[in-house]
Amino acid sequence: AQSVTQPDIHITVSEGASLELRCNYSYGATPYLFWYVQSPGQGLQLLLKYFSGDTLVQGIKGFEAEFKRSQSSFNLRKPSVHWSDAAEYFCAVGAKEYGNKLVFGAGTILRVKS
Amino acid sequence: NAGVMQNPRHLVRRRGQEARLRCSPMKGHSHVYWYRQLPEEGLKFMVYLQKENIIDESGMPKERFSAEFPKEGPSILRIQQVVRGDSAAYFCASSPPSRERYEQYFGPGTRLTVT
Repeated sequence: AQSVTQPDIHITVSEGASLELRCNYSYGATPYLFWYVQSPGQGLQLLLKYFSGDTLVQGIKGFEAEFKRSQSSFNLRKPSVHWSDAAEYFCAVGAKEYGNKLVFGAGTILRVKS
Repeated sequence: NAGVMQNPRHLVRRRGQEARLRCSPMKGHSHVYWYRQLPEEGLKFMVYLQKENIIDESGMPKERFSAEFPKEGPSILRIQQVVRGDSAAYFCASSPPSRERYEQYFGPGTRLTVT
């Protein structure tokens, strides 16, 4: 069965430091890849997506992610974290073989210390 | 362009009552999805609908849960005879037709509490 793994449940970084959130997936074919952010009590906001083409994708709020087929990974990065980035981040994967649903990782909670 | 709208935002029900959650997709979107988020977990797919059709309900519990997306009006997720384990955040998402349907936009969610 398809699965999405976010190995880090919590991450704490200092404001201004760089950030990398990990995401690995298990699918047979090239998937559609997404990162969403959720602030407490709020819905999910789409940060960025990868469908095809350039494997480094830019998103909103200064985030980027890189698709690495050989590692089945789609890690999210930001060069300099702001206190307002504190939230929960979800990686999600879609694939034609599994219908129209998105499969989500368990999420990574980001804390930013000043 | 208004985003995905869900109401109510918070819903409290006693055990045995019915819960009705509503979702209006973004303008131009014809695909609606429902997901459930249990405390400290990621989102789990429940059902995928198009107007007047259930396309995929593989994530729906077999009993007490139903969903519809009528020709007119919002999509409804209905939970009959709620139990404490139904307490969760329920998110609706919508997507445009054709190949961008994987690009799903989420509403703010309905947080259901069963007492």
